[in-house]
Amino acid sequence: GAVVSQHPSWVICKSGTSVKIECRSLDFQATTMFWYRQFPKQSLMLMATSNEGSKATYEQGVEKDKFLINHASLTLSTLTVTSAHPEDSSFYICSAGPDPSGQETQYFGPGTRLLVL
Amino acid sequence: AQSVAQPEDQVNVAEGNPLTVKCTYSVSGNPYLFWYVQYPNRGLQFLLKYITGDNLVKGSYGFEAEFNKSQTSFHLKKPSALVSDSALYFCDPAGYSSASKIIFGSGTRLSIRP
Repeated sequence: GAVVSQHPSWVICKSGTSVKIECRSLDFQATTMFWYRQFPKQSLMLMATSNEGSKATYEQGVEKDKFLINHASLTLSTLTVTSAHPEDSSFYICSAGPDPSGQETQYFGPGTRLLVL
Repeated sequence: AQSVAQPEDQVNVAEGNPLTVKCTYSVSGNPYLFWYVQYPNRGLQFLLKYITGDNLVKGSYGFEAEFNKSQTSFHLKKPSALVSDSALYFCDPAGYSSASKIIFGSGTRLSIRP
């Protein structure tokens, strides 16, 4: 089956620094990748839709200058949390699709847990 | 606009008993319905989906879901719960697209007691 990886799985950083999270589709080409965040005991929140070769589409309330998304190839999308602050501490999850058969199923990465001190 | 409702924040079931996690949806056109599971400290996993065909869909880990068009529901079920089924479950009413958005509700936390 299709596999999506995220790197790193855990990151701890100081307030004010920037953190880059990678999302890769390992065995298929993903024209679209989605980025989510999840706070403890809360549901996932869609942050943005990342399309290869074009600008990401951000959901309402998500600061595009804060969360920079780049989808430079069909297998890689990156999310950069710029000037991270403690309130950005969260679980960030990406998903990619369509799968190799062209179906609509989204394949999820394992998530990246960010802790900003 | 697409929306989903999972009316129960938490469902508690004894091991061995049947379980149901409820989901109702509102979509334009034909629904493409998904269930995802998130185990503690792990990423989301796809469980099952309904696109067309039989209303009863079977998925991973012994789960199944029944699509009911008249009631606009897609409840997740399992005949005999396991403690290892304890997790957070999300219903997703994705519309037809090769790259559909995943719009989750609040999720339902399923707790199976031994």
